[in-house]
Amino acid sequence: GIQVEQSPPDLILQEGANSTLRCNFSDSVNNLQWFHQNPWGQLINLFYIPSGTKQNGRLSATTVATERYSLLYISSSQTTDSGVYFCGFRGGADGLTFGKGTHLIIQP
Amino acid sequence: GAVVSQHPSWVICKSGTSVKIECRSLDFQATTMFWYRQFPKQSLMLMATSNEGSKATYEQGVEKDKFLINHASLTLSTLTVTSAHPEDSSFYICSARVWGGDTDTQYFGPGTRLTVL
Repeated sequence: GIQVEQSPPDLILQEGANSTLRCNFSDSVNNLQWFHQNPWGQLINLFYIPSGTKQNGRLSATTVATERYSLLYISSSQTTDSGVYFCGFRGGADGLTFGKGTHLIIQP
Repeated sequence: GAVVSQHPSWVICKSGTSVKIECRSLDFQATTMFWYRQFPKQSLMLMATSNEGSKATYEQGVEKDKFLINHASLTLSTLTVTSAHPEDSSFYICSARVWGGDTDTQYFGPGTRLTVL
């Protein structure tokens, strides 16, 4: 199956800092999405981004499908941004295959 | 829009008992729902695909007789963990697929934390 690598695995930043999270894939993927799992476990949809660039407030995402990677940018971090960020894609099944996640801690 | 609920949010049960978890799409119809399991500090793993009106499709290594899935309506899928054991303790999350136009995404429920004593 397709392998996905998320980096960095852990990230600790001060409030106000910017960050870039990355997903690399071993092959072309479909339906790439980014999610934020908050400390209570709820997954929140951030972007559906099979290709190109999208922005939503302080967050933006870019997927370069031909080079098999996707980036999530977080600017001016807030403590509420803390949690785990996952990229997910549709693999062999219709369900999603997830990376191992980036655990982000924003300190006040 | 695209809100998915789960019930219960947490459950503690004794070993050997069965537990039913409900997943509902509140403001849309979902012909396809999914069930995932997440162990502490790990990623989500797809367990099964639930299609309304048909049998669920289970991922390799998931026991279909242990994890019974029913998708009897366009807004409700249920997961029953039968004869639960401590190793079944986990965070169970459902999602509903929404597609059309230029999107094909999934919206997730808040999860159910199962603890088997």
